[in-house]
Amino acid sequence: AQSVTQLGSHVSVSEGALVLLRCNYSSSVPPYLFWYVQYPNQGLQLLLKYTTGATLVKGINGFEAEFKKSETSFHLTKPSAHMSDAAEYFCAVSDRGYSTLTFGKGTMLLVSP
Amino acid sequence: DTEVTQTPKHLVMGMTNKKSLKCEQHMGHRAMYWYKQKAKKPPELMFVYSYEKLSINESVPSRFSPECPNSSLLNLHLHALQPEDSALYLCASSQGQGGREGYTFGSGTRLTVV
Repeated sequence: AQSVTQLGSHVSVSEGALVLLRCNYSSSVPPYLFWYVQYPNQGLQLLLKYTTGATLVKGINGFEAEFKKSETSFHLTKPSAHMSDAAEYFCAVSDRGYSTLTFGKGTMLLVSP
Repeated sequence: DTEVTQTPKHLVMGMTNKKSLKCEQHMGHRAMYWYKQKAKKPPELMFVYSYEKLSINESVPSRFSPECPNSSLLNLHLHALQPEDSALYLCASSQGQGGREGYTFGSGTRLTVV
């Protein structure tokens, strides 16, 4: 079964600093990969996804992620953090068959003024 | 309409009560899901309906009973719950059961069992 590992349960950055949230997947076949964001007491919102094609994927709110097959990684970045980016971020994976999404344990992004 | 709507947003129920959670989408999606999310944890899959038929049941206790009346509606019937069932219950939908497009999530129902 597919799985993803998110390194770091909490990441703290200053406003305006680079955001880097790490995600590694376990599969010999490139899966579908997703990043979701969850604000307190809300559902999950899709930030971006990788299925095929270009390995650098741009999403909403200025986020992007790069699929690196050689490193089995799909890290999420944003050049300049805003206070409004403070939330829980989940990496998720699905294989290329009729499977369901499997979520990582999540990373809480904290943004300080 | 690109939303998944869940009602109610909050629910407090006693251990002997019977209640239902409702979920609705009008995106033409043919797969719908129930997830349970405890605090500080990722969502855990409970049920999957694909083309209105239950296709995955992740060994959830029988006190949770899903129902899919049509392709736009998904219910979760609750009976004789325990305090440890208190959680955020999330509904999601997707075009097909496969994960290529990702899921669209509702904002959830915050359930408290007393």
